[in-house]
Amino acid sequence: GENVEQHPSTLSVQEGDSAVIKCTYSDSASNYFPWYKQELGKRPQLIIDIRSNVGEKKDQRIAVTLNKTAKHFSLHITETQPEDSAVYFCAASIRGSARQLTFGSGTQLTV
Amino acid sequence: NAGVTQTPKFRVLKTGQSMTLLCAQDMNHEYMYWYRQDPGMGLRLIHYSVGEGTTAKGEVPDGYNVSRLKKQNFLLGLESAAPSQTSVYFCASSLNRERTGTDTQYFGPGTRLTVL
Repeated sequence: GENVEQHPSTLSVQEGDSAVIKCTYSDSASNYFPWYKQELGKRPQLIIDIRSNVGEKKDQRIAVTLNKTAKHFSLHITETQPEDSAVYFCAASIRGSARQLTFGSGTQLTV
Repeated sequence: NAGVTQTPKFRVLKTGQSMTLLCAQDMNHEYMYWYRQDPGMGLRLIHYSVGEGTTAKGEVPDGYNVSRLKKQNFLLGLESAAPSQTSVYFCASSLNRERTGTDTQYFGPGTRLTVL
């Protein structure tokens, strides 16, 4: 099955700085890569996703990049704000798997 | 439109007791999922369903059973609870991408289960 590794497990940045979280996946058949944000005691919420036919996607201060050859994808948050503090999870889904998600172990971001 | 809801929010069980967690969605989603979340391990898929009357095993199905008798509901059962099943359980749902072109999974608020 798919295996997703996420780094770092904790990340502390100054307000206004950028934050980068990296994930690697194992199965080359994976073609969908969402990122979820989870605030303390709340449910995970999708913040951005990317499909394997795209190399980069942006949404205001958030961007995701995908390198299919190296099997890794990254979340970039620019101009960080205190409300960005949360746990961020990456995930991968294999083509044809009814969108079963395999999650990384999470990154606690503190701004 | 309530989205995805879960019942109950909290529950404490003794080892060997049984219980059922209920997930309901009002978005007419075909796909539904049950995940468990443990500290430092992210979310892991327990079981999922691609439509009414269908279920399938995920990554960690042992000790759990599920049923999807109605499209809007997905039930997760623990027949004989064990301390290792202490966790936060999240339900999620999504549309069928082949029909809608979207993959987004929407999560419920979670159920915190403690097994003593």
